[in-house]
Amino acid sequence: NAGVTQTPKFQVLKTGQSMTLQCAQDMNHNSMYWYRQDPGMGLRLIYYSASEGTTDKGEVPNGYNVSRLNKREFSLRLESAAPSQTSVYFCASSWGDRSAYEQYFGPGTRLTVT
Amino acid sequence: TQLLEQSPQFLSIQEGENLTVYCNSSSVFSSLQWYRQEPGEGPVLLVTVVTGGEVKKLKRLTFQFGDARKDSSLHITAAQPGDTGLYLCAGEARTGNQFYFGTGTSLTVIP
Repeated sequence: NAGVTQTPKFQVLKTGQSMTLQCAQDMNHNSMYWYRQDPGMGLRLIYYSASEGTTDKGEVPNGYNVSRLNKREFSLRLESAAPSQTSVYFCASSWGDRSAYEQYFGPGTRLTVT
Repeated sequence: TQLLEQSPQFLSIQEGENLTVYCNSSSVFSSLQWYRQEPGEGPVLLVTVVTGGEVKKLKRLTFQFGDARKDSSLHITAAQPGDTGLYLCAGEARTGNQFYFGTGTSLTVIP
């Protein structure tokens, strides 16, 4: 099993450009998450999807949109990238949305906005 | 809003030494998790603690959840180079659905 996969691994954007980060999991998990990680800030939740067909805002949703395409795939879109969105983005999945269920993380996408 | 503060932020020790990492908050959490993250990879779950005062051991790692479920500690006995990494705590909000991650502790164990 591949677990959680993310594409691309690296990306450089100019201010104002748009892009979509892709995430897929092959563990038949119900819940999926998007986090960003910045130095000294830990991971902050952007959006999550508790189950197929539902999405909810996390701690820092502004400037992002998400789509739960099906049970396997959860994408994150930046409509108009800003330098403040330079970060490492992690996708995660779990059986459910409670602590009883371990979150499995992907390897991350390193995004730089110039 | 950063709900969880970890200390120290950086820690460099010699192999064989003991260390403790702290995770503190003014908020009450339903549960708390500890993760370890290596460079270029995503975090990997080490343990989940649910009950106030709970202590869990994972080989040389001991995890404790505070009685009031606002804080936690991670103690490593006889640290080894393989323990090197970024340690993150994450608290589950009482309303559920969301985890709030701490600021992280970067540990380096020197052989």
